[in-house]
Amino acid sequence: QVQLQQWGAGLLKPSETLSLTCAVYGGSFSGYYWSWIRQPPGKGLEWIGEIKHSGSTNYNPSLKSRVTISVDTSTKQFSLRLSSVTAADTAVYYCARFVRPDPYFDYWGRGTLVTVSS
Amino acid sequence: QSVLTQPPSVSAAPGQKVTISCSGSSSNIGNNYVSWYQQLQGTAPKVLIYDNNKRPSGIPDRFSGSKSGTSATLGITGLQTGDEADYYCGTWDTSLSAVVFGGGTKLTVL
Repeated sequence: QVQLQQWGAGLLKPSETLSLTCAVYGGSFSGYYWSWIRQPPGKGLEWIGEIKHSGSTNYNPSLKSRVTISVDTSTKQFSLRLSSVTAADTAVYYCARFVRPDPYFDYWGRGTLVTVSS
Repeated sequence: QSVLTQPPSVSAAPGQKVTISCSGSSSNIGNNYVSWYQQLQGTAPKVLIYDNNKRPSGIPDRFSGSKSGTSATLGITGLQTGDEADYYCGTWDTSLSAVVFGGGTKLTVL
């Protein structure tokens, strides 16, 4: 059974950098892509980006200039950094396993609420 | 404004059937597989349908998916109060090189 456990700071000030990490337990790590998705309060889902175990990445064009997703295959973890946050970045952030080329998300983390407030 | 268009809400009585539509374009639904997710209040989304019409292990056959052209549909039969949730469609957009989602549909089981 695959489990994703995520953690990171939940309260940030404007202009700071959001940092979250997701650890994968069970299943193959190298055979999949790994993604971050966010959901502002009361709103829909927004895909942030993906990373392959090799380190190759692909980001949502709307966030590309501020996003970095990295991977550590030795610990089966991947991370999200989002720079220069504003109140508009307040959301629940989910990590998820991304099945390509289909594509769909079959396992999700429980989500981390990140609030940006001065 | 979401790339994929879903109705904001649908409702039906217990035991009845409901369908949720998802409309896109040739750059997304028209040429890529569609998936559907159920999000119960306060929880992470869960995949119900992938590859347009396939169900993961453990998803009851009350849930079905179909695609025609640039639109997709999620069907739920034998509605239960536990089906009350937000439902999202998703797919790849070739022009954007990004995953795109619908705005979500809130299902109320009256």
